[in-house]
Amino acid sequence: GAGVSQSPSNKVTEKGKDVELRCDPISGHTALYWYRQSLGQGLEFLIYFQGNSAPDKSGLPSDRFSAERTGGSVSTLTIQRTQQEDSAVYLCASSLGGRGRGTQYFGPGTRLLVL
Amino acid sequence: AQKVTQAQTEISVVEKEDVTLDCVYETRDTTYYLFWYKQPPSGELVFLIRRNSFDEQNEISGRYSWNFQKSTSSFNFTITASQVVDSAVYFCALSENNNNDMRFGAGTRLTVKP
Repeated sequence: GAGVSQSPSNKVTEKGKDVELRCDPISGHTALYWYRQSLGQGLEFLIYFQGNSAPDKSGLPSDRFSAERTGGSVSTLTIQRTQQEDSAVYLCASSLGGRGRGTQYFGPGTRLLVL
Repeated sequence: AQKVTQAQTEISVVEKEDVTLDCVYETRDTTYYLFWYKQPPSGELVFLIRRNSFDEQNEISGRYSWNFQKSTSSFNFTITASQVVDSAVYFCALSENNNNDMRFGAGTRLTVKP
């Protein structure tokens, strides 16, 4: 079946502009995660959605970052007033179970470059 | 708080050599899950294995094997008879039963030369 998909694959934007990144999880997966991977670094947790529960936003680095998940499926990560330090690969993952119990399957990522 | 350490930043081997990637973790939970992911140059993270804290059996899958030892809090990954296609960054990760985020190690970049 289809895996996690993300769009766009690449995004180049100017400092100060807003960007939206999209994630389509695996069908039937109730948990969805966003991570950020800076160049040559490991993965940094951003936000977690589980079903209709309130999201865990504890990893969001600033209030310029927000995310929503509509209808328990597609998710959008929004970065407002982008800064150069926001340049990274943004990875989305989904899993069947949540709270650490599910195996997370990752999308191909969105490579964001802020000029 | 959970923590994962991959002390080896980069490893270079010649094809057909065996190589072991180390992973040491810290957690206060008694129930947790350990993972290995492969990130080839294409960038997509590929799931390799998941281990539950109550299952210490080692696992072998083809040329890949994993050694889970709770006594040393380690979950090491061995590739036997390495191939050029094994070149990638490998991440070890830990999730706890009562936490929402999965904590990743910094990754080990493996280069297999022909």
